[in-house]
Amino acid sequence: GESVGLHLPTLSVQEGDNSIINCAYSNSASDYFIWYKQESGKGPQFIIDIRSNMDKRQGQRVTVLLNKTVKHLSLQIAATQPGDSAVYFCAENTGFQKLVFGTGTRLLVSP
Amino acid sequence: DAGVIQSPRHEVTEMGQEVTLRCKPISGHNSLFWYRQTMMRGLELLIYFNNNVPIDDSGMPEDRFSAKMPNASFSTLKIQPSEPRDSAVYFCASRAAGNQPQHFGDGTRLSIL
Repeated sequence: GESVGLHLPTLSVQEGDNSIINCAYSNSASDYFIWYKQESGKGPQFIIDIRSNMDKRQGQRVTVLLNKTVKHLSLQIAATQPGDSAVYFCAENTGFQKLVFGTGTRLLVSP
Repeated sequence: DAGVIQSPRHEVTEMGQEVTLRCKPISGHNSLFWYRQTMMRGLELLIYFNNNVPIDDSGMPEDRFSAKMPNASFSTLKIQPSEPRDSAVYFCASRAAGNQPQHFGDGTRLSIL
């Protein structure tokens, strides 16, 4: 039969805009969260992480927000650049020393 | 600093053949993870090691898959015999102790004909 692949949600933005990528996680006991960026032909690249005792953390041009009440994580990218085009994954540490990855969001940045 | 190094980058072989994928973790990291990524299933954890000891292999598809970590700087993932449905990109990742991020290699793209 016909195979059906994962349908990645896609976020399309203009260069210079701010991007917000969202992620819903599953386990209320998860204590550590990571955002990864994956470019074509490469492995996931660590962007930023946050522990459950925080609700916000900032890096260079990126901010991660954690809302434990609704089990929601977001990644904000300021002044998005064409080089930011990639698939972005959130991952949660469920407490068993291993990460559970989301299905990913494709970010497309047009000049 | 050198990141996680995987070899080969690409492998094409016929079904029934044995396939061996190799990984060198980041020096000083004591946890190593093998993942498989496909369009159908996304990124799946196959097995992980702490201090060279396999901790959780519940993600290994079946007995055709095996993984070893003979020392802190080397791990292999072996498929014998290989089947077309094993075609995927296989990633290795390593992590320092505790709640630290995993760092990934660039993967091995495996095609079984």
